[in-house]
Amino acid sequence: DAGVIQSPRHEVTEMGQEVTLRCKPISGHNSLFWYRQTMMRGLELLIYFNNNVPIDDSGMPEDRFSAKMPNASFSTLKIQPSEPRDSAVYFCASSSWNRGPYGYTFGSGTRLTVV
Amino acid sequence: QQPVQSPQAVILREGEDAVINCSSSKALYSVHWYRQKHGEAPVFLMILLKGGEQKGHEKISASFNEKKQQSSLYLTASQLSYSGTYFCGTANAGNMLTFGGGTRLMVKP
Repeated sequence: DAGVIQSPRHEVTEMGQEVTLRCKPISGHNSLFWYRQTMMRGLELLIYFNNNVPIDDSGMPEDRFSAKMPNASFSTLKIQPSEPRDSAVYFCASSSWNRGPYGYTFGSGTRLTVV
Repeated sequence: QQPVQSPQAVILREGEDAVINCSSSKALYSVHWYRQKHGEAPVFLMILLKGGEQKGHEKISASFNEKKQQSSLYLTASQLSYSGTYFCGTANAGNMLTFGGGTRLMVKP
């Protein structure tokens, strides 16, 4: 398996522009998570999907952020409009649940810089 | 609420041992441990479940005290490759993790 695949690896955009981050989870994993990592705030959970359904989006900072999972093999995180404070590394992770939880597999991340 | 990790940083010589602690103010269902090297993604090491089940890395051990809502990660006979930042992640139920602030570990020759 190729693991969790995220694209792009790096994104530099101007304030006010729309940004879309993409994630392909490991086949067979039924849970998908979007995290954001910064030096100041560490690893923050943004949203959690289970079987393609959003379960908890309480970590989404504000209405500028939205996430979708149209099928089991694809998810997007969109920021519109982007702001400099959104600059961070965004990780997608997937996991499975079979009579109990299993560990997360993280993608390589997308380093977002908003100027 | 975010679990609290201690120490924040530790420096070891090769072959020395280290313990990293993680504590939560809430009742825990599971505790995960991950290691992240600079510029890379976190990598899963171990999961400890309420009731005693453990799944994970053969060479790393950990404990989970459910009553105290604490977990400890034990790194023995450290190697240079152990260097990185260690994160604990806690779940109250299900599989949704809140991560601690991390512990930076540096192993020197």
